[in-house]
Amino acid sequence: KQEVTQIPAALSVPEGENLVLNCSFTDSAIYNLQWFRQDPGKGLTSLLLIQSSQREQTSGRLNASLDKSSGRSTLYIAASQPGDSATYLCAPPRDSGGSNYKLTFGKGTLLTVNP
Amino acid sequence: ETGVTQSPTHLIKTRGQQVTLRCSSQSGHNTVSWYQQALGQGPQFIFQYYREEENGRGNFPPRFSGLQFPNYSSELNVNALELDDSALYLCASSLGLPEETQYFGPGTRLLVL
Repeated sequence: KQEVTQIPAALSVPEGENLVLNCSFTDSAIYNLQWFRQDPGKGLTSLLLIQSSQREQTSGRLNASLDKSSGRSTLYIAASQPGDSATYLCAPPRDSGGSNYKLTFGKGTLLTVNP
Repeated sequence: ETGVTQSPTHLIKTRGQQVTLRCSSQSGHNTVSWYQQALGQGPQFIFQYYREEENGRGNFPPRFSGLQFPNYSSELNVNALELDDSALYLCASSLGLPEETQYFGPGTRLLVL
């Protein structure tokens, strides 16, 4: 059974700071790993998807890395802005060998960027 | 905007009642997954539909059931509502391939009194 842990649970930083969010998972047999952000009471917005064969993926100020063998992924946010304030969730769907690839989520990291 | 829509946005029901939630998938997507997100928790997988067939189920009782229609829109039905069913219900659509991104709708907030 895939278990996902995200550290820290909450993070508060001043605007402009670079930061790293951590995600660890117990089962390294994964298809890929997806990072999402969630604003309060809203749905999830996909940020980045890293295929299991990749080690890194970048989109604008965001960079995500994946170390499948150690069961870890990090999301790096450069030059943080107040608009980045949200809960960040990682989800590594387990490669069960079938066509079902449910996403397993941790509790997320609540990020607050202060102006 | 992902192109995935859900209705209604909010719903209040009483214990024992039944509820139907709806999801319209993004154009061209044939797979819909449903998730339940309790307050302060990450989303939990309920089930997935691929081309109108159930394609995997999480650890939810049979009173949680679903349908997918020929246009790939989907319904989630919950019978005999319990207080613990109060949550944000999210649907996600995708192309049905594991390497593809899943796109989430805005969710339906269900409150059971």
